[in-house]
This record gives sequence, C-alpha cells and structure tokens, in this order.
Amino acid sequence: AQSVAQPEDQVNVAEGNPLTVKCTYSVSGNPYLFWYVQYPNRGLQFLLKYITGDNLVKGSYGFEAEFNKSQTSFHLKKPSALVSDSALYFCAVRDWGDYKLSFGAGTTVTVRA
Amino acid sequence: DAGVIQSPRHEVTEMGQEVTLRCKPISGHNSLFWYRQTMMRGLELLIYFNNNVPIDDSGMPEDRFSAKMPNASFSTLKIQPSEPRDSAVYFCASSRSTERNEKLFFGSGTQLSVL
Repeated sequence: AQSVAQPEDQVNVAEGNPLTVKCTYSVSGNPYLFWYVQYPNRGLQFLLKYITGDNLVKGSYGFEAEFNKSQTSFHLKKPSALVSDSALYFCAVRDWGDYKLSFGAGTTVTVRA
Repeated sequence: DAGVIQSPRHEVTEMGQEVTLRCKPISGHNSLFWYRQTMMRGLELLIYFNNNVPIDDSGMPEDRFSAKMPNASFSTLKIQPSEPRDSAVYFCASSRSTERNEKLFFGSGTQLSVL
C-alpha cells in the first residue's frame, strides 16, 4: 500500500521569505513522487516530480523539492515566496509497481505581502 | 493544446435526479482517471481507464456511480440517482501512458451540488 502525509494544513509566510511545504510518504517499493498546485476553481497543475537520480528536483515557477530516502520525505521549497504562490499544494506518490497516484490531504499556502 | 476539457463546470440538481459529467482527454493520451475532491476525504480516485478499457473501478462508491469511455476522446461519469452526499468537485485527468513516471493533466473540474 502507498500513502502520503502532509502534516501541515496551512503554511503562512511573508513575501520574499523561504517557503517549505512538508511531505512524507510510504510505499512498498521505489517511489515516484510528485507535487501539484491547485488555484481556486481550477484543476491541479503539475509542478515537479522525482523519479530517480539527483535528490534535488527543480520544477516550475522556481519551486524545487528534495527527496530524502532515509526520512521518506519529499519537501517542496521555494527560496523566495511570492503572493501569487498562494494556493493549495498536493504531494502525491506512486509505487513503482502501481498505476495509482495517491494524494496527500493538501496544504494551503498563504503568502502575505 | 486545449488541455483536458470537462463539462459542465457547475451542476446543481435535486436529490434523485440523474447527473452526467463529461470529459474530453488530451489527444494522444491513453490513460484517463476520474477523481472526486471533498473537504472531508480529499482527492479520491474513482476509476481508471487505459485504452478506453476500465482497469480499476474499486474507488466507485456505489452502484449509483457508473463510468464509460466509448472512445479515446470522450468519457462520462454518471450518478443515478444522485444524493446530497455526492456533492463534490469531480476531476478528470489524463496521461500519455501507464508509465509510472508520467504526470497527470487535470481538467478544471465539475462542481456538483445535490440539493
């Protein structure tokens, strides 16, 4: 079985400050990890993914994520947050032997000006 | 590319009525997923199609729910009869293949309200 946990329902940061959204996962095999973002009244949009290789993955809009196998984590980061980054962020995992993509509960990010 | 297209964007209906949600995946994509999003349960996978064939419908909550994919460019999710607890946002997503590293492309969703 595979699962994802996003321990924070909400993250609040000031514009220009670093942003971190936490994610931990559980899979039986090797994980494929994804981050998606959802803006109000819109569908989910892909940000980045980790498949294999370098533990630091760079994605859209200046976001990056670090894969840590020993801690089974895949935290999303942005060095300098923008007000426009305010949205709902989802971490997702797919076990290497499965087609299902399991999503976390989501973390609402609010960036204040 | 127009992306994944869902219709209607909003649907308000009364309990007991039939509801049909529609989805047009991205051309060339052969995997299609229906998800339901609620505050209480988050994103739930309802059903997964590959090459128009339903592969896994274990997430379909009840017999009231059914889904079809008559061709590569169209899928429907039907609820009959609808109930207030079906109120949610329903998303359709597609991907190029069943490769595990493929990302999903989501439609804008259908906001369903059952009164």
